[in-house]
Amino acid sequence: AQTVTQSQPEMSVQEAETVTLSCTYDTSENNYYLFWYKQPPSRQMILVIRQEAYKQQNATENRFSVNFQKAAKSFSLKISDSQLGDTAMYFCAFMKHLSFGNEKLTFGTGTRLTIIP
Amino acid sequence: DGGITQSPKYLFRKEGQNVTLSCEQNLNHDAMYWYRQDPGQGLRLIYYSQIVNDFQKGDIAEGYSVSREKKESFPLTVTSAQKNPTAFYLCASRRREGQNNEQFFGPGTRLTVL
Repeated sequence: AQTVTQSQPEMSVQEAETVTLSCTYDTSENNYYLFWYKQPPSRQMILVIRQEAYKQQNATENRFSVNFQKAAKSFSLKISDSQLGDTAMYFCAFMKHLSFGNEKLTFGTGTRLTIIP
Repeated sequence: DGGITQSPKYLFRKEGQNVTLSCEQNLNHDAMYWYRQDPGQGLRLIYYSQIVNDFQKGDIAEGYSVSREKKESFPLTVTSAQKNPTAFYLCASRRREGQNNEQFFGPGTRLTVL
């Protein structure tokens, strides 16, 4: 079974600074996907960024980027120029490459990020 | 507007009563999922459905039941057999092709059993 570990329950950073959230996972699979989801106070889950394990290049979405280290099974999220709207719970998630609809997301326990004005 | 709706947003029930949570999507997505979220924990999969009239148990299916009679609807029933039903429940859906395996989530329902 896959496990996802987020070792930082809470973090805070000043507005405009850069912050990195860590995530490690354990799997024997070779093909899989990794995701970072954001859950703001509204509790709506929003996809931030995704990474396919077969791609060596780290994914980037505007101010959000990942550092994917497949051998180390590490998948950290970097938020640059942090904004007040980035305040949220952030969840790292793992998904095996399976047939459609049969895939399951395994989530970490989350990191509560607070951006300080 | 296309999206996933869950109703109600807050739900209160007495212990021993069954309760059904609604999940509707107008995204024409094929697969639908139910997750449970507890404080200090990540989301855990309860049930999922790939197509109409078919569904599979997730990691914590005991005490729950689902149906998938229509493509756009995937209601979850929390039965009296569920030991600790108080939680936040999230529904998600995904299209068969494209969108890079992304699951889209609804706004959630907070269930409190008194």
